[in-house]
Amino acid sequence: EDQVTQSPEALRLQEGESSSLNCSYTVSGLRGLFWYRQDPGKGPEFLFTLYSAGEEKEKERLKATLTKKESFLHITAPKPEDSATYLCAAPQTGANNLFFGTGTRLTVIP
Amino acid sequence: KAGVTQTPRYLIKTRGQQVTLSCSPISGHRSVSWYQQTPGQGLQFLFEYFSETQRNKGNFPGRFSGRQFSNSRSEMNVSTLELGDSALYLCASSLGREGQPQHFGDGTRLSIL
Repeated sequence: EDQVTQSPEALRLQEGESSSLNCSYTVSGLRGLFWYRQDPGKGPEFLFTLYSAGEEKEKERLKATLTKKESFLHITAPKPEDSATYLCAAPQTGANNLFFGTGTRLTVIP
Repeated sequence: KAGVTQTPRYLIKTRGQQVTLSCSPISGHRSVSWYQQTPGQGLQFLFEYFSETQRNKGNFPGRFSGRQFSNSRSEMNVSTLELGDSALYLCASSLGREGQPQHFGDGTRLSIL
């Protein structure tokens, strides 16, 4: 059964304190692992797509990596504006729709 | 480039009523997917339309329906509203090809009284 699990559920960091968010997945024939950021009252904002184990992508203070079983979103020296819920998602086997993890709610304290 | 536009942003309805939500995708995107987001269940897939045809459907009752027009704009309809239908309804568009990212609108917040 296709499944995406995120941890931790919530994370509080001091400004400048680097950390990582985890997304483990069980998908037959992965056709992309997606990371999104969601701010309160907004829709998810696309961040990255990773397609194969070993792939890495970066954007500002964020770096996403992928292994055969999990993906990590590394946040380096976070700022308060990085506070948001981070979601990972994968396409359902044989379809185009995404199934999402429950997200990690990140709070960065000044 | 304009993003995905959803209207209205907020709706308040009572039980038993019906509602129609609208979504305008990114120009050139032929696939439109709808999701329901609630605090307890997270993001759940409702259905996907591609070139005016429903291509995939999630596990929701028949009260939830949708359609897509020739300009790729899509509407979602919920009939006989129940209290549990209160949620943020999100629309996402994409090129529709395998592995392509979906881009989301800011949703319609539906509250049922």
